[in-house]
Amino acid sequence: GENVEQHPSTLSVQEGDSAVIKCTYSDSASNYFPWYKQELGKRPQLIIDIRSNVGEKKDQRIAVTLNKTAKHFSLHITETQPEDSAVYFCAARGGSTLGRLYFGRGTQLTVWP
Amino acid sequence: DAGVIQSPRHEVTEMGQEVTLRCKPISGHDYLFWYRQTMMRGLELLIYFNNNVPIDDSGMPEDRFSAKMPNASFSTLKIQPSEPRDSAVYFCASRPPGQGAPNEQFFGPGTRLTVL
Repeated sequence: GENVEQHPSTLSVQEGDSAVIKCTYSDSASNYFPWYKQELGKRPQLIIDIRSNVGEKKDQRIAVTLNKTAKHFSLHITETQPEDSAVYFCAARGGSTLGRLYFGRGTQLTVWP
Repeated sequence: DAGVIQSPRHEVTEMGQEVTLRCKPISGHDYLFWYRQTMMRGLELLIYFNNNVPIDDSGMPEDRFSAKMPNASFSTLKIQPSEPRDSAVYFCASRPPGQGAPNEQFFGPGTRLTVL
C-alpha cells in the first residue's frame, strides 16, 4: 500500500515567519493529497487539499505544492500566527484504495508570539 | 447537519472489561472509518466500511477488536477484553460517495478511552 513520510515532526517559528512542512509518498497512482489541522484536544479538520492534476493551490495564508515526479508535496503557511499552533497531518489517497487515506505521522507546529 | 457523532466522549474502564464505542456518520455518506490516535503511533486506520461493508480491516490490532456497521447510520467498535495498551483516542470519520470531489473525511469529536 501507500507509505507517507512527513517532516519535520516538530517545528517552532516566530510569529510572522513562514512555516513549511514536507511529505513524500510512494504510490505513483495516488491522486489526492489533503492536509488536516488538529488543535489540542480537538478533531482533525481539513484545511486544504490538492489533486494530482494541479501543481499548486492557495487559500489565503496557506498553500500546498505538489511535485508528482518527485512524489512529494508541501504545506506552506505564511505570516504565521499563534492560532496556527497545532498538529498538521498530510495524507495521500492511493490509486486503488477506494477512499482510504494514508496519513503521515504529523508535525507539531508552535508559533511563538 | 450535526456532523459525525460519537459516544461516549470519555470512557474509563478496568482491564478485562468490554468496551463499545459508537458512531453515527453524516447522513448520505457511504464511507465510514475508525481511527486510533496515540502519541507513540500517531493516527492509525483500524477499519473502514463502504456501503456498510467492511473493506479493509488490516489495521485492527488483534482479535480483541471487532467492528460492525448494521446500517448506514450506525457503527460500533468493540474491544473485548480491554487492556491498558488500548488507551487512546478513537476517532470515527465519514466521507461522501464517489471518487470525485469532495473527498474530505469528516472526523467525529473522538472517544477518549482509558483502560486501568
